[in-house]
Amino acid sequence: DQQVKQNSPSLSVQEGRISILNCDYTNSMFDYFLWYKKYPAEGPTFLISISSIKDKNEDGRFTVFLNKSAKHLSLHIVPSQPGDSAVYFCAIRDGTSYGKLTFGQGTILTVHP
Amino acid sequence: DAGVIQSPRHEVTEMGQEVTLRCKPISGHNSLFWYRQTMMRGLELLIYFNNNVPIDDSGMPEDRFSAKMPNASFSTLKIQPSEPRDSAVYFCASTLGVNEQFFGPGTRLTVL
Repeated sequence: DQQVKQNSPSLSVQEGRISILNCDYTNSMFDYFLWYKKYPAEGPTFLISISSIKDKNEDGRFTVFLNKSAKHLSLHIVPSQPGDSAVYFCAIRDGTSYGKLTFGQGTILTVHP
Repeated sequence: DAGVIQSPRHEVTEMGQEVTLRCKPISGHNSLFWYRQTMMRGLELLIYFNNNVPIDDSGMPEDRFSAKMPNASFSTLKIQPSEPRDSAVYFCASTLGVNEQFFGPGTRLTVL
């Protein structure tokens, strides 16, 4: 039973347009939500996060939205750039003291020039 | 800081052989995590340690997998005997407290 799901395996977007990546979770006890970005042959790197007490967090071109009632998380990238092409993982922390994260399956984003 | 260091970066072995993957976490971090990435399941948590103590190994797929953390600066993930279905990219990550995790570059394992 997967607690975190990214239902879109891939997304293709034109440069300059908005990219929207989605993530659904099942456990309402999760308290902290993160997005990681991964380039080929590299490890995932932290991108942006949001606490369960907020519904939006913005960092430059990246904005994360949290809808707790729907148990839904999304990442918006505006404007999208070719360098944003990567695999994006959502990750959710379960509130333990050890920082354990549960990851989604990932979405491959391709931004075309 | 050099970040999380993993070795080897690539490993090709034959079915039945023992495989040992190594990880050096970021200095000062007190939690260490081992993940496996596959196309089907994404990033799966295998096991994690806090202050060198294994906390949860429920993600370890079989008894063929084992992990140790003898000190704060070193951890190993061992597969014995290895099987072709173990082929994947294995990541190690570390963190201090409950902050975001920092990942190593991964080890790409191919079992023939």
